[in-house]
Amino acid sequence: GQQVMQIPQYQHVQEGEDFTTYCNSSTTLSNIQWYKQRPGGHPVFLIQLVKSGEVKKQKRLTFQFGEAKKNSSLHITATQTTDVGTYFCAAGGYQKVTFGTGTKLQVIP
Amino acid sequence: DGGITQSPKYLFRKEGQNVTLSCEQNLNHDAMYWYRQDPGQGLRLIYYSQIVNDFQKGDIAEGYSVSREKKESFPLTVTSAQKNPTAFYLCASSILDTNTEAFFGQGTRLTVV
Repeated sequence: GQQVMQIPQYQHVQEGEDFTTYCNSSTTLSNIQWYKQRPGGHPVFLIQLVKSGEVKKQKRLTFQFGEAKKNSSLHITATQTTDVGTYFCAAGGYQKVTFGTGTKLQVIP
Repeated sequence: DGGITQSPKYLFRKEGQNVTLSCEQNLNHDAMYWYRQDPGQGLRLIYYSQIVNDFQKGDIAEGYSVSREKKESFPLTVTSAQKNPTAFYLCASSILDTNTEAFFGQGTRLTVV
């Protein structure tokens, strides 16, 4: 079945440093979604990318979808303590959404 | 308020007992899902349903059962056959479309002792 892998699994950064998580799929994706889960919370939708090579920005967050639609990245510029949490990519599909393994971000003040 | 509600938030059960986790949504979504999350792990799909009275097994369905008698409700039963039931269980819903986001409930943390 479809597999979605994320790297790194964990990342510790000093507040103010940048952070990037990468998502790779074994198959071509129709779309890629990104979610954020705060500690003790539930995943919350951030954004969806559909087009090959698409780039979207949300304030300090930049999302990219690869040209081959098999990989994606999330980059956070100048991290803040409010960015702490686990970031998941997810491969959207008609029948189900397949989640990546997640990257847990810790921000050191 | 529109949303998806899971109850209870914390649940304790003795080994060998079946337990049912509730999930209700008032978003008028056709699709509903159950995921399991273990510490430091991603989300693994247990069951999903696209329409009332129909559901499909996900990647880790063994030891679990579901029902979808109403569009709004998708309860999950963790049976005694589930070898390691202690986990965080998340219910989600979405409209039935390829390019659509999933809305999650607050989750139920099940501990089996």
